[in-house]
Amino acid sequence: EAAVTQSPRNKVTVTGGNVTLSCRQTNSHNYMYWYRQDTGHGLRLIHYSYGAGNLQIGDVPDGYKATRTTQEDFFLLLELASPSQTSLYFCASSGRVFAEQFFGPGTRLTVL
Amino acid sequence: GDSVTQTEGQVALSEEDFLTIHCNYSASGYPALFWYVQYPGEGPQFLFRASRDKEKGSSRGFEATYNKEATSFHLQKASVQESDSAVYYCALKNAGAKLTFGGGTRLTVRP
Repeated sequence: EAAVTQSPRNKVTVTGGNVTLSCRQTNSHNYMYWYRQDTGHGLRLIHYSYGAGNLQIGDVPDGYKATRTTQEDFFLLLELASPSQTSLYFCASSGRVFAEQFFGPGTRLTVL
Repeated sequence: GDSVTQTEGQVALSEEDFLTIHCNYSASGYPALFWYVQYPGEGPQFLFRASRDKEKGSSRGFEATYNKEATSFHLQKASVQESDSAVYYCALKNAGAKLTFGGGTRLTVRP
């Protein structure tokens, strides 16, 4: 079973604050993804990566940066957080393009 | 662009009822189709996949058949249990690594 961990599990910040969400997978998967989950919108892709140093833009990238430092670690950065970014964030990984994705437990972010 | 539509936002059933959750997609080419399930407090989990027309995917008593003509991949289960209560997501993957999700269907099963 693929293992994907996220930290922190909960985060509260203020408008304009800096936030970094962390994700680590320990199954040597090439692909990693960041999603946000909001009521009425399901899961929406923010950024994804094919491997260390690679970054691809997803469907809702505005206000987010991401960095893949190693095969295991993928970070999501909010440099000027806004209330509209209050959401539940999930990280996922997969080993091949058409393979299933394994999701982490999520990080709940609140921007006041 | 690609899209996935789940007709039902919420479904409420009693144990042993028959379940259908409708999923229709719009995509160019020949996408792979997926079902994921999300239990409270957890991330989504892969349920099963189908990659070609008329292929049936199945897992844990759930099944769906890829219908290219109807652009559908409806989820069914013959007899639901209270433990099946969760949110179910239909998704597609076309060329490239992106997975496009539907809006999700919350299933509540009464004992």
